[in-house]
Amino acid sequence: GAVVSQHPSRVICKSGTSVKIECRSLDFQATTMFWYRQFPKKSLMLMATSNEGSKATYEQGVEKDKFLINHASLTLSTLTVTSAHPEDSSFYICSARDQGIGGDEQYFGPGTRLTVT
Amino acid sequence: GQNIDQPTEMTATEGAIVQINCTYQTSGFNGLFWYQQHAGEAPTFLSYNVLDGLEEKGRFSSFLSRSKGYSYLLLKELQMKDSASYLCAVATDSWGKLQFGAGTQVVVTP
Repeated sequence: GAVVSQHPSRVICKSGTSVKIECRSLDFQATTMFWYRQFPKKSLMLMATSNEGSKATYEQGVEKDKFLINHASLTLSTLTVTSAHPEDSSFYICSARDQGIGGDEQYFGPGTRLTVT
Repeated sequence: GQNIDQPTEMTATEGAIVQINCTYQTSGFNGLFWYQQHAGEAPTFLSYNVLDGLEEKGRFSSFLSRSKGYSYLLLKELQMKDSASYLCAVATDSWGKLQFGAGTQVVVTP
C-alpha cells in the first residue's frame, strides 16, 4: 500500500519556540493532505485541510496563525507550531489522499509526538 | 453539529466474535471508514462503506445503513493482536475530510 512518512517522529522543544513537522507521500502524489491532533486516549481531531498550491482550510477553533500549514508540492505538507506552549503537547498525525488509478483512499503517517517543556 | 457515537470499550475472548456499533449524524456523508489504532501508533485502514450493505474482508466485515445512520464493524476469530482501538470515521465532504468517533477500545482476553 501507499506510504506516508512524518518527520520527526518525536520532538521536545521549549516554550516559545517553533517546531516544524513534515508529512510526505512517498509513492503517490497527494493534492490533499490533512492534519490531525490526538490527546492521550482520545480520538483524532481534524485541524486543517491542506491543498497543494493554495491556502489551508482550518477547522473551527484552530488558530491559523499558530498552526501554519504549507503544502508546497504534491508530496509534501508541513505543519509549523509557532510559539509553542505546553498545552500544544500532543500527537500530531497527517494523512494524504491518494486519488490515483487504484481508487480513492486516505493513508495516515506514523505521527509526531510533540512535547513542549 | 457532528455526532459520531461508538461504545468506549468492549471485551471478548480469543476466538470469539465482537461487533462494534457506530451511529452518526453529520452535515455531509461521502462514506464511512473503520480504522484500527494501536497505542502510540497512527491509524491503519480497515474498511470503507459508501453504499448500504455488508463488505467482507477476511476476518473483518463492515456494514452500513445510510437511512439509519448506522454502521458496525464485525471482528471474527479474535486474536490477541486485535486488542486495539477501533475508530469509526465519516467522510463529510468530497475532499475527504474525516470526522472521527471517540474510538472503541477492544480488549481480547485469553
